Amino acid sequence: DQQVKQNSPSLSVQEGRISILNCDYTNSMFDYFLWYKKYPAEGPTFLISISSIKDKNEDGRFTVFLNKSAKHLSLHIVPSQPGDSAVYFCAASARNNNDMRFGAGTRLTVKP
Amino acid sequence: EAEVAQSPRYKITEKSQAVAFWCDPISGHATLYWYRQILGQGPELLVQFQDESVVDDSQLPKDRFSAERLKGVDSTLKIQPAELGDSAMYLCASSFGYTGELFFGEGSRLTVL
Repeated sequence: DQQVKQNSPSLSVQEGRISILNCDYTNSMFDYFLWYKKYPAEGPTFLISISSIKDKNEDGRFTVFLNKSAKHLSLHIVPSQPGDSAVYFCAASARNNNDMRFGAGTRLTVKP
Repeated sequence: EAEVAQSPRYKITEKSQAVAFWCDPISGHATLYWYRQILGQGPELLVQFQDESVVDDSQLPKDRFSAERLKGVDSTLKIQPAELGDSAMYLCASSFGYTGELFFGEGSRLTVL
């Protein structure tokens, strides 16, 4: 069952512009959300997270927004850089059980 | 910087053969996970260990897959016999506690012919 969904398999943006990656979830027990970044032939690396008690978390060029009522979160990258080109996975878990569920990923391409 | 070590990076095998993957988590990380990622999909949890105990193996196909973490440190994931549909990236991850961010290894890519 797809409890975490990333409906856009790919996204292409121009360098310097904003990248917005979206993620939807169905399980209302999820209260911890993460974004991972994956380069080819490497494992995913943690990027940013947000707890359900917040609606926004910011770390440099990366901001994650959480809309609990809509069961939706998004990752904003501003400004986008060519080095940001990678596959981005959204993940969610319940804090009392680290059974982390991942979306299918969105491939971001940032063009110079 | 501490890393999760996995081997082999690549494995090609014929169906019905046995294959094994090894993982050494970041030192001090009590929780270890094995994920499988099929091309075009997100990682799917196979098994989760807390120290040497299995916490969750509900998604592990136990007729052919086995996993162990005997001393609560490194872990082995075995497939016997391998099937064509097992071709995937097998990712090991660890975390300090029972919750929180996961640190992934580079993965072991399996191709079953």
